[in-house]
Order: sequence, then structure tokens, then C-alpha cells
Amino acid sequence: SQQGEEDPQALSIQEGENATMNCSYKTSINNLQWYRQNSGRGLVHLILIRSNEREKHSGRLRVTLDTSKKSSSLLITASRAADTASYFCATLPPMNTGFQKLVFGTGTRLLVSP
Amino acid sequence: NAGVTQTPKFRVLKTGQSMTLLCAQDMNHEYMYWYRQDPGMGLRLIHYSVGEGTTAKGEVPDGYNVSRLKKQNFLLGLESAAPSQTSVYFCATTSGSRPNTEAFFGQGTRLTVV
Repeated sequence: SQQGEEDPQALSIQEGENATMNCSYKTSINNLQWYRQNSGRGLVHLILIRSNEREKHSGRLRVTLDTSKKSSSLLITASRAADTASYFCATLPPMNTGFQKLVFGTGTRLLVSP
Repeated sequence: NAGVTQTPKFRVLKTGQSMTLLCAQDMNHEYMYWYRQDPGMGLRLIHYSVGEGTTAKGEVPDGYNVSRLKKQNFLLGLESAAPSQTSVYFCATTSGSRPNTEAFFGQGTRLTVV
């Protein structure tokens, strides 16, 4: 079963605007990761945030994590047309719960128009 | 350095035919995974391997078999293809089941079963 649910399912913005997408998950995690998928391509890792972290930055990306609400958000600032892609969150369960496999959400499709 | 390579990229099968998808990695990673991606479903884990000679079932293993005879290769087999197996298949690798581990993906195989 899916662990993560992204919201919104689709997002359309203009270049220069900020894009925010959210991920909610169901069970405890060790970390949460965000991936990007360009059309027709495989997923590419963007950023990882550990369960004891609340915020992390990488370039134009800002990720927050609220473990009490079991949710995370990915903010892309000053978006560009090249940011057009699908974005997925993935969770890794705690280390003491068996095999560590990533469980992916359903994704947010982001369209950035020039 | 190719990373993770999947072959073939596209394939059309008739119901009942068999085929093998090959995933090859040159990253010396221990862990390899096969996912399928369907619209609105995100990525679902089919089978995975924690090392040469070992395989295990994931979330949706029925109708698929796998083998990991060599560390660098992970094969996904469909013995008798069904239309429900029409999907995009992704192979992924991680260096190990450690918490701060990102996954690396192949470019995908688009399979249509008619």
C-alpha cells in the first residue's frame, strides 16, 4: 500500500513563482526523501530529511518535516520552466522495523509556464 | 559511468508471451529493486534483492519472477504476460540498507501487453 500521498495532484504556475507541494504519510519514518521525474525518465533524488530534522535547504529547494502531523512539504522558489516534472516523496521506515525499503507516494505533477 | 541501465526501453507483448527485463548497474551497489509505475498509483515495489544470489518479494510480486546471479545485474521475468502488467517498469539501486541512502533509477521500460 502507498505510504505517501502528495497534494496537490497537479500544480500549474508561472515562471518566477514559488511552488509548494505536500506529502502526508501514515507510519513512523527514519527519513523522507523527495524525487523528481521528468517526462519519460527515471526518478532523480533531490533531497533527504531525517526524522529528527525540521527543515532542510538545497539551492532553490526547501523541505520541511512535521513528524507530529506526519507531513512534509517541498518548496521550489523562483521556479523555472525546467522545473516542470513530477515530484514524489518517499519514506524509509525506522531501522528496527525490518528491511529498509523506500515507499513512494503518488506524486505531484508540476507545470511551470514561461 | 552509466549508472543504472535498463533494457529494453520499450516492448509490446501479446498476452501469454514471456519476456525478461534486464537491469545493469556499474555502481557496485548491494541493493537492487524493481518497481512498476501506473497512473495515479505512484511506484509500487515488485521484488528486491539485498545481494548476489538473494531475492525477496515486494508489494506486488504476483506474475513476476526475478534473479540476481551477478551483483551488477537484476533480471525481472514475466512468464505469461497479462494486460494488467502493462506499465512502466523501473529498476533502482541503493548502496545498502542504511538510513541516509538515496536510490538511483534507470530510465524505465515501457511495456504494453495486448
